[in-house]
This record gives sequence, structure tokens and C-alpha cells, in this order.
Amino acid sequence: SAVISQKPSRDICQRGTSLTIQCQVDSQVTMMFWYRQQPGQSLTLIATANQGSEATYESGFVIDKFPISRPNLTFSTLTVSNMSPEDSSIYLCSVPGQGAYGYTFGSGTRLTVV
Amino acid sequence: AQKITQTQPGMFVQEKEAVTLDCTYDTSDQSYGLFWYKQPSSGEMIFLIYQGSYDEQNATEGRYSLNFQKARKSANLVISASQLGDSAMYFCAMREGGNRDDKIIFGKGTRLHILP
Repeated sequence: SAVISQKPSRDICQRGTSLTIQCQVDSQVTMMFWYRQQPGQSLTLIATANQGSEATYESGFVIDKFPISRPNLTFSTLTVSNMSPEDSSIYLCSVPGQGAYGYTFGSGTRLTVV
Repeated sequence: AQKITQTQPGMFVQEKEAVTLDCTYDTSDQSYGLFWYKQPSSGEMIFLIYQGSYDEQNATEGRYSLNFQKARKSANLVISASQLGDSAMYFCAMREGGNRDDKIIFGKGTRLHILP
């Protein structure tokens, strides 16, 4: 299965600023997914990033708030813009597995907005 | 309506006992995949087991097995001989459709506590 390097692992940010999270995959993948996990909650899909096209956002998430870059088949970034304390969460990227293998997840970015 | 339902927010189980974590799902697709993940307190997402909708046999991976009841739309995770290290959050997830590159969505999870 793929290996994902996600950066930063954690950050504390001031409200009103933006943070860009990076995910690098050790193999080429068509789709990458970005999830948010609010404290004590499950994973909620933010968007699907397909190389060569605009990301597809889930209901409740908009591009202005969570712009996504997918410049090639091994890399993607998620920006959390104009942050507020409500954006304090863990953000994870994920890529599909092969066959019966599960989806691989990055180690997550723990974001605290103060 | 929720696509993945996990009705047990928390469970306490004695060490070495078997554990069943419930998961029901809702889809009109004939082709879909079901996954279970473990999330320890460290936060990493650990893939445990996968069941395809067309798989006739229940999936097994070591101490993990998936009790797949298609007609009931149920995909319960069974952990045999539980260990202290099994204490974690467990998520059931589903991928709808036959495209293996498609998104997966998660249930709310069950927090499992293994008691010594």
C-alpha cells in the first residue's frame, strides 16, 4: 500500500490566518481525499482531489474556505483559510488502496486556532 | 439519512473475551465496499479489514473477522480474544459503487475499552 507523508503534524494558528497542509504520496494515485476530524468526532470528507481537474467538495464545504491544489499524481495541498476556533480539528489526507487493501491515511495535522 | 450507522458509542469488554462492533449501512448500489478502521489515541488510522459486496465469504484478517449479512445490510466487526492494545476508536466505512478509486464515508465510531 502507499505511504503518505503529511505536513505539518500540528500547528497553532491565529484566527484570521491561513494554513496550508501538504500530503506527499510515494506512488502515483488518481484520487486523493481530504477529511476533517473534529474533536471526539468521526471523519468527515471535505473534498476529493483529482489531478487535472478542480476538486469536488462535499456539502457544507466550499472552495473559498478550503482551497485544494493537486499539481501532480503524488502531491496535494489543503489550505484552511481565514481560520476561526471552529476550524480546530485534525485534517487528514487519504488515497485509495489496491484490491482488498484499505485506503491509506496520512498521519494527520492537528490544528488549533486561537 | 446516515449511510453508515454505528449504534454503540462506547463498549467495555473484559480482556480475552470476543467483541462484536455493530455496523449497518444504507446503499442502493449493488457494488460497494465496506471497511473497518482502528484509531488509537495516537490518532493514526489503521486499516483492519475489507469486505466487497460480491464477496461470498466473510472477510478475515488474523483476530479480525467481518460478519457480513447482506440482506440485513450489516457488517459487524468481530475481534476474537481481545487484548489491552485493542482499546481504541473503531470506525466502519463504506465506498459506494464499483469504482475502487471512489470516496469512502465513515460512521460515527465506537470507542472500545478493554478491561484487564
